[in-house]
Amino acid sequence: NAGVTQTPKFRVLKTGQSMTLLCAQDMNHEYMYWYRQDPGMGLRLIHYSVGEGTTAKGEVPDGYNVSRLKKQNFLLGLESAAPSQTSVYFCASNIQGIDETQYFGPGTRLLVL
Amino acid sequence: GQQLNQSPQSMFIQEGEDVSMNCTSSSIFNTWLWYKQDPGEGPVLLIALYKAGELTSNGRLTAQFGITRKDSFLNISASIPSDVGIYFCAGQLVTYGQNFVFGPGTRLSVLP
Repeated sequence: NAGVTQTPKFRVLKTGQSMTLLCAQDMNHEYMYWYRQDPGMGLRLIHYSVGEGTTAKGEVPDGYNVSRLKKQNFLLGLESAAPSQTSVYFCASNIQGIDETQYFGPGTRLLVL
Repeated sequence: GQQLNQSPQSMFIQEGEDVSMNCTSSSIFNTWLWYKQDPGEGPVLLIALYKAGELTSNGRLTAQFGITRKDSFLNISASIPSDVGIYFCAGQLVTYGQNFVFGPGTRLSVLP
């Protein structure tokens, strides 16, 4: 049981490049989330999903897209990376209505030059 | 967006001392969570609170859900070096669906 895993762990991009961050969970959780963490600002919700095939916007969705084609995977895409997207990205998952605990992945550190 | 305030922003304490930190908001929350994040890791849940006035312990940690539902407190007793990290509070708003709002964190350093 690996919990929540994220790939890659670290990536450097040039402005305008695209990339996809992968989040996978093996706990059969319905809900999955993508957050970004910036110094002094805590975690901010980018997008989330309440089940396979569904996605919704969070607090800071601009510049990102997501897809949840399989229940266990939640992908975060940057179509045209900008320096403002330099951050640490965390994925989380949980089962709503039973346990509010969100289980977090180890994070992906992204640097956009 | 919604905002949570945490204080202090950072603190340095001696090993063995007790620690108190709090989280406040202008909004009413129906759930409070406290997380700890170690360097290079994702946050890990410490304590969850579901009722106003609730006091819950987890080992040396004790957290309380404020009566006004706008604040929460976390206390750590007899601190040890492994308590070092960033402590985040997170609140679940009735009007924000099932999602949580996170505070900016309190960075704790424990001096030997």
